[in-house]
Amino acid sequence: ETGVTQSPTHLIKTRGQQVTLRCSSQSGHNTVSWYQQALGQGPQFIFQYYREEENGRGNFPPRFSGLQFPNYSSELNVNALELDDSALYLCASSLYPGGAGEHQYFGPGTRLTVT
Amino acid sequence: AQTVTQSQPEMSVQEAETVTLSCTYDTSESDYYLFWYKQPPSRQMILVIRQEAYKQQNATENRFSVNFQKAAKSFSLKISDSQLGDAAMYFCALSGSARQLTFGSGTQLTVLP
Repeated sequence: ETGVTQSPTHLIKTRGQQVTLRCSSQSGHNTVSWYQQALGQGPQFIFQYYREEENGRGNFPPRFSGLQFPNYSSELNVNALELDDSALYLCASSLYPGGAGEHQYFGPGTRLTVT
Repeated sequence: AQTVTQSQPEMSVQEAETVTLSCTYDTSESDYYLFWYKQPPSRQMILVIRQEAYKQQNATENRFSVNFQKAAKSFSLKISDSQLGDAAMYFCALSGSARQLTFGSGTQLTVLP
């Protein structure tokens, strides 16, 4: 069983640039959720994808967008980067339907630094 | 809206002793799940224990157990026989019908040898 993987591990970008983060879900999972974790805080829900469609979104602006592919892997895109976008971005995969208690398996995260 | 509050930014425990981490939450839903996640320095979030709101019996997983007080909207984690490997950031989280996890701000647990 392959776990959730994310790439790259670390990334440094300049304010105003665009970035793409990638996530491979755990084998057999059809749902991917993305979270932003600022330093010293708990993760904040960005959005969730199920069968290539956005299936819920948190309080993030439209410059945060995503994709899910037929193999259930996913991308998180952030346009017009701001300094406050510096954070650890976590991807989590799960199997739906599983209900509210479904186990979300997390990847190791991508550390994004915006200068 | 769902909220999760962890009022203890840091806790410490002596190895082999017991420690309890506190969490309170708020939700308007009647069907929801509560979780405790552990995040070591490696950053990977690991599920420690899960509780279904409609179950009165408190969940247990080996040395980890919860005290779920639904009326008080309280969900504390007890770690027995603490080990050095338990040192990490612990997050309380809530999931409702939208299947989105809402996290607290975390408690940094230090285990003293």
